Parts: sequence; structure tokens; C-alpha cells
Amino acid sequence: GAGVSQSPSNKVTEKGKDVELRCDPISGHTALYWYRQRLGQGLEFLIYFQGNSAPDKSGLPSDRFSAERTGESVSTLTIQRTQQEDSAVYLCASRANRGRAGELFFGEGSRLTVL
Amino acid sequence: AQSVTQPDIHITVSEGASLELRCNYSYGATPYLFWYVQSPGQGLQLLLKYFSGDTLVQGIKGFEAEFKRSQSSFNLRKPSVHWSDAAEYFCAVGQGGSEKLVFGKGTKLTVNP
Repeated sequence: GAGVSQSPSNKVTEKGKDVELRCDPISGHTALYWYRQRLGQGLEFLIYFQGNSAPDKSGLPSDRFSAERTGESVSTLTIQRTQQEDSAVYLCASRANRGRAGELFFGEGSRLTVL
Repeated sequence: AQSVTQPDIHITVSEGASLELRCNYSYGATPYLFWYVQSPGQGLQLLLKYFSGDTLVQGIKGFEAEFKRSQSSFNLRKPSVHWSDAAEYFCAVGQGGSEKLVFGKGTKLTVNP
């Protein structure tokens, strides 16, 4: 697609429910990132995928959070047993190739509200 | 650990005035530095980036930033602000040993007519 696409754009859920957030990166981009943006905070790194390499999961805040990516395509971020502190905007970004210097292209985010 | 500090949470300027947004980083080696802008309801967009070489970098929308190693700073500037520049601005640093970007907490810019 033309840009990074994320769905749903908004999700309201009850505490304790599981949620899945989807990211469709720009076609051909090998790197994919998930960030979390809480109200009034900066972007908090969650996880990074690069091609078929093992993902960098160092930012996942707890074992309730997991993410998958098949090849260089769609990624899904799953949050199990959601808590109110999980409320945030979850941003996905992709990059064309390996290396720290490349530009990240961001989606518009999925806003999660846990009641 | 690497970190990025944006000291100003919120800045208000008048349209046509000059702008400087501050960014300081903590990083041992030469960093890769970025400024992103997030307009209301939109995703983040890259304004400019610094890898090496000329320490004054030009970006889109008339923005520039200067890398000052001695001050560990990468401040964003614009000589004359437009109302459409109202947004939130994030500084980010490329983290050595991995490919993740560490972001500051952002500076929200309000532009008065």
C-alpha cells in the first residue's frame, strides 16, 4: 500500500479482555516496529522485526504482550488480559532496509482504551 | 542507557516568530539523530535527520537542526513559524547495537495568530 496501515483505529475494551492490533507495512519494507504512546508521554519502544531474524522484544512491558510477523508482511500485536494502564496509542512503523539511518514511516496508530 | 531529553513540554509562539526546540541526548558514540512531527490526527512524519558530516542539516517545511557534539544537542529551528506548524515535535536518537529509535517525550507547539 501507499503507507503504513493500522487497524482498528480505535478500540474500546473491558479490563481482562484480549485485544489484537494489526499493522500492514509499506510493501517491500523489511523492518517493522511497534511503539506505544501514552498520553503526554513520548514513544516507548515495544518490539522490532527485521526480515526473518529473531525479533528484538526488549521493549515488551510484560508477558501479556506479544507480537508476530510473517515474513515481511503484516504484523499483529496482541495484548492479553488487558489492564487500564495499557490504554495508549499503539504505533506501527516500517523501514525500507537494515541500518539505523533509515527513515521510519509511521501509521496513524491504534488508540486502545481499557475500561 | 541512551536517552533523549526535550526540556520544553509546551511552547507557544506567534505566527512569523522564530522557533527553537531543544533536544539533548545521552549516547557514547556518534549518534544518528532525528526530528519527527506529529500533527493532530496524523502519524509521525520525518522532518530531518543527521548521520555524519555537516552539522547543520536542512529538512522539510523550512526546518533545520544543528548537531553540537560538545553540548550533546540537536536543536530544531525555523526562522518564521506558520500556523500550520502547530503540532507535537519529537526528537529521536538511533541506539547503538540495535536498530531501535529512542524518542523524547515531545514538545507541543502552539502558534498564535
